[in-house]
Formats: sequence, structure tokens, C-alpha cells
Amino acid sequence: DIQMTQSPSSVSASVGDRVTITCRASQGIGNYLAWFQQKPGKAPKSLIYAASSLQSGVPPKFSGSGSGTDFTLTISSLQPEDFATYYCQQYNNYPLTFGQGTKLEIK
Amino acid sequence: EVQLLESGGGLVQPGGSLRLSCAASGFPFSSYAMSWVRQAPGKGLEWVSAMTSSGGSTYYADSVKGRFTISRDNSKNTLYLQMNSLRAEDTALYYCAKDTRGGFFGETDYWGQGTLVTVSS
Repeated sequence: DIQMTQSPSSVSASVGDRVTITCRASQGIGNYLAWFQQKPGKAPKSLIYAASSLQSGVPPKFSGSGSGTDFTLTISSLQPEDFATYYCQQYNNYPLTFGQGTKLEIK
Repeated sequence: EVQLLESGGGLVQPGGSLRLSCAASGFPFSSYAMSWVRQAPGKGLEWVSAMTSSGGSTYYADSVKGRFTISRDNSKNTLYLQMNSLRAEDTALYYCAKDTRGGFFGETDYWGQGTLVTVSS
């Protein structure tokens, strides 16, 4: 199975800041990577697919990059509604696997 | 508007069975593969199972293989997960998720709100 490792596991930031979350795959996955946002008590919401493509309706303050084994999610101009947990997920190989999550907290 | 509504969760004893349902609307259900993903309390996401749009192919995580069975009824726009021989470690919120393709691709765009399964004596 492909292991997905996110860093950091948690990060504190202020409203207006820009934050970058990293996701590393244990082997190359091309660009078959998605990012999800999950707020407490809610279902995960798809933000980005194919490493850098924005899901419909997701604001361009979210951006993704990377290919192969190293990927990043960047969130610019943080707003209160952006504080949540973020997960990466690979779909290059079955079984699908997720990162352990990165909790973005308000400083 | 795409909607996925899970149901069927509840409290079950170890070794027991449960059948989850996911009622879909707002898109041509029979054209898309579907997955089940679970989340244990306070933990991360774990993919469980998937089925192609026609129902012809199924996929399972090793942790549930031989115990869980995924199925779908395209005439009812509903996805199912039959869970047998349940264990405490199966306790989780179970989500259904829509794939972006008919074949199992693993790229999902919509998720339901989940149904909670608790396995405990």
C-alpha cells in the first residue's frame, strides 16, 4: 500500500496568513492526488483533484502543486472558515490511502 | 444538486451484522462508481470499498475483505454495504462518496454526511 505522510500534523496561523501543507507519498503517484477539507462534525469536502485542479465552487485562495511523491496545498489569506483539518489522498493505486490529516488552528 | 444520504448505522454487538444504504440524487447514479470511506472517532479517513457504475467490479480494503460486501441497485439509485462479523475496530462514521468516473478511479467529488456504526457489547 502507498503511505501518505502529511506535515505538519497541526499548524497555528492567524487570519490573513498564508499556510502551506505538505503531503509525501511513499512511492510515485504521478498527479493522482486529491485534497479534502473537513470541519468538525461535517463530511470531507473535495478541494483539489489531480494535484492542482480546483473543484467547482472552491475559491482560488486554495492551490495545489506537485507530482511524483511530493505535493503541497497552499491556502492564502486565511479566513475563520478555513480553520479545519485537511487530508491528502492518493488514487494512483488501489487501495486508496489518505494522509493522517493536518489540523489548521487559529493562533 | 448532488445529494448522498447514508442510513442504516447503529449499535451492534461484536460478531453481528449491519447493512448500510446510501441514497443518491441529483446526478445519473448508474454512470458513476461509488465508494465507502470510514472514519473512526477522532481519527483519520480510511477507504473501505468501491464498486463500478455497472456493479460489475468491486474493490475492498484488506481490513474488511471477506466480511463486507458492497452492492448497488441502479434502479433505486442506492448503494449498499453489507457488514458481517463486525469487530470493535469497525466502529466509525461511514461515508459514501461519488467517483468522477464510471470505472473505479478513486477521485471523488461528493460525499454524504455519514452514518455511525458502533460495535460494542
